[in-house]
Amino acid sequence: SQELEQSPQSLIVQEGKNLTINCTSSKTLYGLYWYKQKYGEGLIFLMMLQKGGEEKSHEKITAKLDEKKQQSSLHITASQPSHAGIYLCGAPSSGGYQKVTFGTGTKLQVIP
Amino acid sequence: GAVVSQHPSRVICKSGTSVKIECRSLDFQATTMFWYRQFPKKSLMLMATSNEGSKATYEQGVEKDKFLINHASLTLSTLTVTSAHPEDSSFYICSARGGGGLYNEQFFGPGTRLTVL
Repeated sequence: SQELEQSPQSLIVQEGKNLTINCTSSKTLYGLYWYKQKYGEGLIFLMMLQKGGEEKSHEKITAKLDEKKQQSSLHITASQPSHAGIYLCGAPSSGGYQKVTFGTGTKLQVIP
Repeated sequence: GAVVSQHPSRVICKSGTSVKIECRSLDFQATTMFWYRQFPKKSLMLMATSNEGSKATYEQGVEKDKFLINHASLTLSTLTVTSAHPEDSSFYICSARGGGGLYNEQFFGPGTRLTVL
């Protein structure tokens, strides 16, 4: 079965600093989702990457997919307290975006 | 984006009782719905996949008689936790995948926190 390892597991940054979260898959990636979650709440969709080398940005968050390395990275520029939460990567199985396997999660705290 | 709702958002029940959780796609038809479970400080674990009008496909280790899933319509799936025990206490989240232009994206509900006393 596919496993997704996220690093770091947790991160504390000063407001205004940049940060990167990595997601590494044990198997071939057919695409990748990034979600944000406040613990005990639902998931907020951030973005979906579908092709190797694809890079997407939304506000101050940029994600990139490296198919060869079976890895994706999420970069936040000039972090704000509103960025705090748990970030989860999710990989769809092959054959048309069926079930999603989620990563181990990265807890982000932003100190004002 | 598309909206998925869950009801109830929180439920507390006594051990041995059954609890039903509803997952609805509000503005699209969901050909497939997924049920996940999340333990404290852990990631989401897929429990089962349900397609409208057919039996759910359960992940390894998930008891299908314990967690009954019914996807009776294109906008509603239900998860019933039967004879609940304290170890079933968890955060349950559903997601829905639509057809057409929504095929490649899953939309998540806000989750249901189940506490079994």
